[in-house]
Amino acid sequence: NAGVTQTPKFRVLKTGQSMTLLCAQDMNHEYMYWYRQDPGMGLRLIHYSVGEGTTAKGEVPDGYNVSRLKKQNFLLGLESAAPSQTSVYFCASSPSPYDGILNTGELFFGEGSRLTVL
Amino acid sequence: GNSVTQMEGPVTLSEEAFLTINCTYTATGYPSLFWYVQYPGEGLQLLLKATKADDKGSNKGFEATYRKETTSFHLEKGSVQVSDSAVYFCALSVAGSKLTFGTGTRLQVTL
Repeated sequence: NAGVTQTPKFRVLKTGQSMTLLCAQDMNHEYMYWYRQDPGMGLRLIHYSVGEGTTAKGEVPDGYNVSRLKKQNFLLGLESAAPSQTSVYFCASSPSPYDGILNTGELFFGEGSRLTVL
Repeated sequence: GNSVTQMEGPVTLSEEAFLTINCTYTATGYPSLFWYVQYPGEGLQLLLKATKADDKGSNKGFEATYRKETTSFHLEKGSVQVSDSAVYFCALSVAGSKLTFGTGTRLQVTL
């Protein structure tokens, strides 16, 4: 089972360059999330989506944009990368709390994408 | 708001030692509580969960009991193995809403 797949797994950028991280899930989940993980700070939510065509800001949205054109995909974009965006990025998905199935908030994570901005 | 506080690591133990990782929370409403584990080079995966007060979650020899009176969800294991070396995250969710994570506790188990 593929679950949640992130590409690329590693990337090095120069300051000012742009890039897109792709997240794909095959579990038909409504909700998708992008987190960043930094030492001593745990996971912080960047943006999330509650369904195809919708996106919303999380804790740390500045400098990032997202799109959810298809239910199974959630893209995270950096238009002008900065060294402060050096991090490990995790995508996650979950069923909707309102889909009639008992959903206690469990998330399913991808393996992460390590981004370095020089 | 919702928050999770975990004990700072790293925690270093010898194999077969007893493990406790403390987790306390504040929440508006009645949360579900989770422990996630992140093995080196991998994403987070759910280790165990509890959805109401006094519930005990358990998996792979790990246990945690939802204590409403002390707002705690401490993770325990009676005898750790080298393969348990990982980062452990406590988290909560209220009414299926977005998860709130603690900062994580790194566990290192040595022979």
